[in-house]
Amino acid sequence: EVQLVESGGGLVKPGGSLRLSCAASGFTFSNAWMSWVRQAPGKGLEWVGRIKSKTDGGTTDYAAPVKGRFTISRDDSKTTLYLQMNTLKIEDTAVYYCARNGWSGDFDYWGQGTLVTVSS
Amino acid sequence: EIVLTQSPGTLSLSPGERATLSCRASQSVSSSYLAWYQQKPGQAPRLLIYGASSRATGIPDRFSGSGSGTDFTLTISRLGPEDFAVYYCQQYGSSPLVTFGPGTKVDIK
Repeated sequence: EVQLVESGGGLVKPGGSLRLSCAASGFTFSNAWMSWVRQAPGKGLEWVGRIKSKTDGGTTDYAAPVKGRFTISRDDSKTTLYLQMNTLKIEDTAVYYCARNGWSGDFDYWGQGTLVTVSS
Repeated sequence: EIVLTQSPGTLSLSPGERATLSCRASQSVSSSYLAWYQQKPGQAPRLLIYGASSRATGIPDRFSGSGSGTDFTLTISRLGPEDFAVYYCQQYGSSPLVTFGPGTKVDIK
């Protein structure tokens, strides 16, 4: 059974940093492309970024609002995905989901999400 | 930049009725890269349809997707009580790499 479990959310002040983790199991993590998607309270879904598998280059892509502030990385030995968030803004407040990328650009499995609140 | 628009914003229907949800793109989207998700309150989204018309694993056949180019449709043939939720379409591949529509809420009439 595929499982994705996020952790690391919490309350942080504007300008601060936070690192989220996503522990994966039930599939070959090293072969998977993985993404982060967020959802502000009461709002829709917003893609944050993606990391390819190392065999496909391990490269990352980011949405414009987070580019240069957020970094996605992976540790295949720990089957864990990370999201390092720096220079946080109030508008980064959201539930952050990790998701596995499907073969057609979709997201076929999602974690339960972790809440990040940016507030002074 | 591709923008996805979903209509209607809210669809009020009774159990057993047919639901037709629309997703329109500002530019042509490859049918291979159009997906639909269902999200219930307090839950993560769930993949329903990928490649515009293929049902994801475990999705009942009352859910179907169709369309091409800029116009896509999600149809729920007979609404079950568990189908009242918010539905999002999503495209992949064009700048930005991934875009979601704003969602359609299907609620009980």
